[in-house]
Amino acid sequence: AQSVAQPEDQVNVAEGNPLTVKCTYSVSGNPYLFWYVQYPNRGLQFLLKYITGDNLVKGSYGFEAEFNKSQTSFHLKKPSALVSDSALYFCAVRDIPGDGGFKTIFGAGTRLFVKA
Amino acid sequence: KAGVTQTPRYLIKTRGQQVTLSCSPISGHRSVSWYQQTPGQGLQFLFEYFSETQRNKGNFPGRFSGRQFSNSRSEMNVSTLELGDSALYLCASSDLFGGGTDTQYFGPGTRLTVL
Repeated sequence: AQSVAQPEDQVNVAEGNPLTVKCTYSVSGNPYLFWYVQYPNRGLQFLLKYITGDNLVKGSYGFEAEFNKSQTSFHLKKPSALVSDSALYFCAVRDIPGDGGFKTIFGAGTRLFVKA
Repeated sequence: KAGVTQTPRYLIKTRGQQVTLSCSPISGHRSVSWYQQTPGQGLQFLFEYFSETQRNKGNFPGRFSGRQFSNSRSEMNVSTLELGDSALYLCASSDLFGGGTDTQYFGPGTRLTVL
C-alpha cells in the first residue's frame, strides 16, 4: 500500500534561513509525489509535484523538492524562509490502482513556524 | 478560471441529522474527490468521481455517500450525523489528462460542526 511519512510535527526556522520539511514515502510501482500547503481556515494549495524526470522539482513561491529514490524521500526546501511561509505543509502520494480511479494519500502534516 | 467552490462554507448540525455538501469543480475538470480533515485523523480520502461514476471509495461507513452530476458538480451526503463527523470537508478537482497523475486543486472546504 502507498504511504507517506512526515517525521516532524513542527519545524522552526528563522526568517532568511533555509528551510527543509521532510517526507519519506513507501510505494509499489512509480512514485507520484506532491506537496501542498494549508493556511488557517483555507483549503490546500498545490506547491509542486514529482511524476518523472529531474530529481529537483521547482514549484510555487520559491519552494523546491528533491526526489531521492534510494532514500525514498521527497523533502521540501526553500533557500530563504519568509514569515509568510508559516503554515501547515502536507506531503502526498498518488495511488493509481489501475482500475481507472485514483486517490491521494496524505502525510500527517508538518507545521512550519518562521520567526522574524 | 474560477477555482473550486464549495457550499456552504460553515454548517452546524445536531446528532442524527443529515447533511449535504456541494462542490463545483474548475471548469473543464472531470474528476472530483472528497477528503475529510480532522485534527486526530488528518486528511482522509472519502471518494473519487469521474463522469458521474464513483471509482474509488475510502474506508468510511455507508453513512457517507456522494454523487456527481453531468456537469461534473458533486455532492456528498452524510446521514445520521455523529459527533465524530465534525471536520473540514475538502473537495478537489483535476482534469485527468495525465491518467491520474494530474494535480488536484482544492476548494476552501466546508466546516461541519455536529453538536
